[in-house]
Amino acid sequence: SAVISQKPSRDICQRGTSLTIQCQVDSQVTMMFWYRQQPGQSLTLIATANQGSEATYESGFVIDKFPISRPNLTFSTLTVSNMSPEDSSIYLCSVEVGGPPLGNIQYFGAGTRLSVL
Amino acid sequence: EDKVVQSPLSLVVHEGDTVTLNCSYEVTNFRSLLWYKQEKKAPTFLFMLTSSGIEKKSGRLSSILDKKELFSILNITATQTGDSAVYLCAVELSNSGYALNFGKGTSLLVTP
Repeated sequence: SAVISQKPSRDICQRGTSLTIQCQVDSQVTMMFWYRQQPGQSLTLIATANQGSEATYESGFVIDKFPISRPNLTFSTLTVSNMSPEDSSIYLCSVEVGGPPLGNIQYFGAGTRLSVL
Repeated sequence: EDKVVQSPLSLVVHEGDTVTLNCSYEVTNFRSLLWYKQEKKAPTFLFMLTSSGIEKKSGRLSSILDKKELFSILNITATQTGDSAVYLCAVELSNSGYALNFGKGTSLLVTP
């Protein structure tokens, strides 16, 4: 498995501001992902954070709103820009860890609960 | 469009009951199906299934995959209040960088 540290764990922000969420893993991983979980909903993939290149965004998510950095194989950040109340969600990072006997499995950080006023 | 559908959406049982949670999927490029338990924020991994008919078991929890009928079930026997959580089913697609496509989850409440 992997130990994933995500911070902040929660924040309350004013609309129009930006928040950067950090995700640190205790080992080098190739695949790192960012998800959003809106209230009462399941997880939706925002983007795949690629080391050394631009993130790959899913439909409905754009780099200007959710810029992502991946400077190395153990760290990534997600910024939620120009926030509005609709951005109030839990944001989670995950990493894929592979190998026998279980195969490739995604493990999740504890999440960041964001409230935008 | 890829779909992962879980049922029921919510469930209330008494301690000691056995529950079965369902997950059906319609996806292209299936790679694996995973079950997670989400109590507060972080989903915690339960099982990964890739082959039909092989039961995975961990204590009171077990799961099996049917790749012909495109579904999986998660069984919990002798439920305890600590089993109360949202159970998430996710399908991993081999053509999307191995990202997960989640169902809406089943909210399970086990009462004393």
